[in-house]
Amino acid sequence: NAGVTQTPKFRILKIGQSMTLQCTQDMNHNYMYWYRQDPGMGLKLIYYSVGAGITDKGEVPNGYNVSRSTTEDFPLRLELAAPSQTSVYFCASSPGQAGNTIYFGEGSWLTVV
Amino acid sequence: DAKTTQPTSMDCAEGRAANLPCNHSTISGNEYVYWYRQIHSQGPQYIIHGLKNNETNEMASLIITEDRKSSTLILPHATLRDTAVYYCIVRVAGQGGKLIFGQGTELSVKP
Repeated sequence: NAGVTQTPKFRILKIGQSMTLQCTQDMNHNYMYWYRQDPGMGLKLIYYSVGAGITDKGEVPNGYNVSRSTTEDFPLRLELAAPSQTSVYFCASSPGQAGNTIYFGEGSWLTVV
Repeated sequence: DAKTTQPTSMDCAEGRAANLPCNHSTISGNEYVYWYRQIHSQGPQYIIHGLKNNETNEMASLIITEDRKSSTLILPHATLRDTAVYYCIVRVAGQGGKLIFGQGTELSVKP
């Protein structure tokens, strides 16, 4: 049972490039989330999904896209990378809402230069 | 915006209990209080959660006031490895049950 797995762990992008951060969970959770964390700050929600085929925006969705074609996978796409997207990205999953635990991945460190 | 208020930082002596307070005066009746911690820039680690009753697990205890407007996380015997940022979060009812993080409390456990 691997839990929530994120790849890559580290990546350097040039301004204007695009990339996808991968997130996979093996717990059959319906709910999945993407957060970003800037230095010294708390986590901010980018997008979330309540099941395959259903996604919705969080607090800071601009510059990102997501898809949820399967229960297991929730990739985050960065289009036209900008220095402001330099951050640590965390994926998380949960079996349900109220009263259920949310499990986080170990993070993906992204630098845009 | 986060629905919780926490002190920015706290110190605790090793081996003593660490009591971390949290205010959540606008919490709704069906919203849970969750506590997570983050060591360096690792993924947030789940500690405990509760609705209205006090809760205890192998890591910590959660004391929620009767009016549910505040709570306290208790680490009974703090160790140096408990040094971390602790987040008190009210989990939103609906909207995917998302967690809205605030700034958290930076707990330093000192020898």
